[in-house]
Amino acid sequence: EPEVTQTPSHQVTQMGQEVILRCVPISNHLYFYWYRQILGQKVEFLVSFYNNEISEKSEIFDDQFSVERPDGSNFTLKIRSTKLEDSAMYFCASSVAGRTDTQYFGPGTRLTVL
Amino acid sequence: RKEVEQDPGPFNVPEGATVAFNCTYSNSASQSFFWYRQDCRKEPKLLMSVYSSGNEDGRFTAQLNRASQYISLLIRDSKLSDSATYLCVADTGRRALTFGSGTRLQVQP
Repeated sequence: EPEVTQTPSHQVTQMGQEVILRCVPISNHLYFYWYRQILGQKVEFLVSFYNNEISEKSEIFDDQFSVERPDGSNFTLKIRSTKLEDSAMYFCASSVAGRTDTQYFGPGTRLTVL
Repeated sequence: RKEVEQDPGPFNVPEGATVAFNCTYSNSASQSFFWYRQDCRKEPKLLMSVYSSGNEDGRFTAQLNRASQYISLLIRDSKLSDSATYLCVADTGRRALTFGSGTRLQVQP
């Protein structure tokens, strides 16, 4: 069964450093998403991406965040200057066009900012 | 007010019990609703979509009441493997899912 994959599974970084989280969505999916979950809290939407541009973004997704699809398979989330409060699990998801009930989530990357 | 509100639990039930979870949502523009399941430190996995007419998938039944902005999930004949956090999710059609904080279920032998 096809699945969304994410690397790395765990990233530890120093405050102020840039991090790039990587995702490989399911191959025939056209919509891509990033969500985050701070430990003990709910899953929160960050951004959706379609046709090489951002479709929607939340208020969390400020200028420190950016997304990119650098090639035909990868989808990345970059945090330019990490803060302590960026420590969370980051989930990538993908879906077929226009149907949110087919959002498939990857296993997540745990980001720890020291 | 939280956009999607759930009782955090935990619900501790014996194997074989029937358990019901409730959820309310505040955004009347929400169009689609789902129950996701999340195991500890894992990704959310879609359990089922929720329709106004109600829908059933094996031991799981979901109901939506748009007038009351209320969603429910019923699990019959609970199994140990049902132990997880159940997430109520709404979508306003913007392809951005809004998650509740989850209700934790612990099924005991």
